[in-house]
Amino acid sequence: KAGVTQTPRYLIKTRGQQVTLSCSPISGHRSVSWYQQTPGQGLQFLFEYFSETQRNKGNFPGRFSGRQFSNSRSEMNVSTLELGDSALYLCASSLQGANYEQYFGPGTRLTVT
Amino acid sequence: DQQVKQNSPSLSVQEGRISILNCDYTNSMFDYFLWYKKYPAEGPTFLISISSIKDKNEDGRFTVFLNKSAKHLSLHIVPSQPGDSAVYFCAASDGNRDDKIIFGKGTRLHILP
Repeated sequence: KAGVTQTPRYLIKTRGQQVTLSCSPISGHRSVSWYQQTPGQGLQFLFEYFSETQRNKGNFPGRFSGRQFSNSRSEMNVSTLELGDSALYLCASSLQGANYEQYFGPGTRLTVT
Repeated sequence: DQQVKQNSPSLSVQEGRISILNCDYTNSMFDYFLWYKKYPAEGPTFLISISSIKDKNEDGRFTVFLNKSAKHLSLHIVPSQPGDSAVYFCAASDGNRDDKIIFGKGTRLHILP
């Protein structure tokens, strides 16, 4: 079974721009969650989608948004980028939901200059 | 407020010895706990989990212990191997309330030859 894939793997953007990241979950997984990882902060939960509906959201500003398609693929969008948005963005998929075992993709490394 | 705390940012252990990684939590409603392992440039990998109805779960070299009264869990790796050098994240969730996982900030484990 193919694992979770994320594209692109690396991205450099400038302040004020917007960015869209993509995630393809493991086949059959309907839950997709997004996390932000920064040095010293661990993994911070952004949101979870299940069957195209946002089921849960973390404490991030409205500039961070996402969506899920009928094939369970998910996208995450960040508008009006700030320097502090530079991070590794991880996507995880799960059969049952975000509070059970999740399978992570390799992440997208976003650098904002 | 950090609900899941890994107070040791790093730990060094001799190859062949036991590695013990600790995690404390503050939310008494957490009922499911997980450990993930992360290598550089890869997403976290699920290692082992434990439900709050148990106090121990074992899988090969990995054992997780849960002390509910102390709100503490630990991951034991015996014997430690060079490939165990990685960052370990503790995570917890309240399955009754929502499907969000809270991660600790991680502990970097170095296995010394």
